[in-house]
Amino acid sequence: EAGVAQSPRYKIIEKRQSVAFWCNPISGHATLYWYQQILGQGPKLLIQFQNNGVVDDSQLPKDRFSAERLKGVDSTLKIQPAKLEDSAVYLCASSSVGGSAKNIQYFGAGTRLSVL
Amino acid sequence: DAKTTQPNSMESNEEEPVHLPCNHSTISGTDYIHWYRQLPSQGPEYVIHGLTSNVNNRMASLAIAEDRKSSTLILHRATLRDAAVYYCILRDGLVRSGTYKYIFGTGTRLKVLA
Repeated sequence: EAGVAQSPRYKIIEKRQSVAFWCNPISGHATLYWYQQILGQGPKLLIQFQNNGVVDDSQLPKDRFSAERLKGVDSTLKIQPAKLEDSAVYLCASSSVGGSAKNIQYFGAGTRLSVL
Repeated sequence: DAKTTQPNSMESNEEEPVHLPCNHSTISGTDYIHWYRQLPSQGPEYVIHGLTSNVNNRMASLAIAEDRKSSTLILHRATLRDAAVYYCILRDGLVRSGTYKYIFGTGTRLKVLA
């Protein structure tokens, strides 16, 4: 079974530029999560989808961050414009809502963003 | 905020057992206790979870206190590859039927000495 795929692995941009990250979850997983992990901290949930609907985006800075999962499969997270404090690893995870592995999250390797 | 408390760091010798503690004094009756670990430069990976009874799998064992206010992740024989940050997390609440939200704390950084 293929895992969660994320791209790119690394991205370096200057402040005020835009950037987008892509995630392809495990096949059949209805729930998709985007996390931000700043160096030395645990992952912080930004947004959670179930199929193509948002179920929680309370921690998403909506003035600059946006995310979509149009067909209920893969997802993109965008930052526009980026700030220095957005430098972090952006992790995507997915989980199923049924079966023996219900609610167990499977993570991708993440995208490391550096904003200069 | 995270609903769990863990030590910032621990050390263990290779091939010895490791007991990683977690306090969750505000746990509710239906909260599962989940453990994940994050190896360097990787995303977190699932380790184990439980509700009331102790649990074992190929990676670790989970011992849950009778009052469920604390739990311990047990690695029976630590190897160098077990060096990671270990997170103990509770689900934060039901956001939609069958879907829960989880909040990660800062975890315990485990160092394994050769």
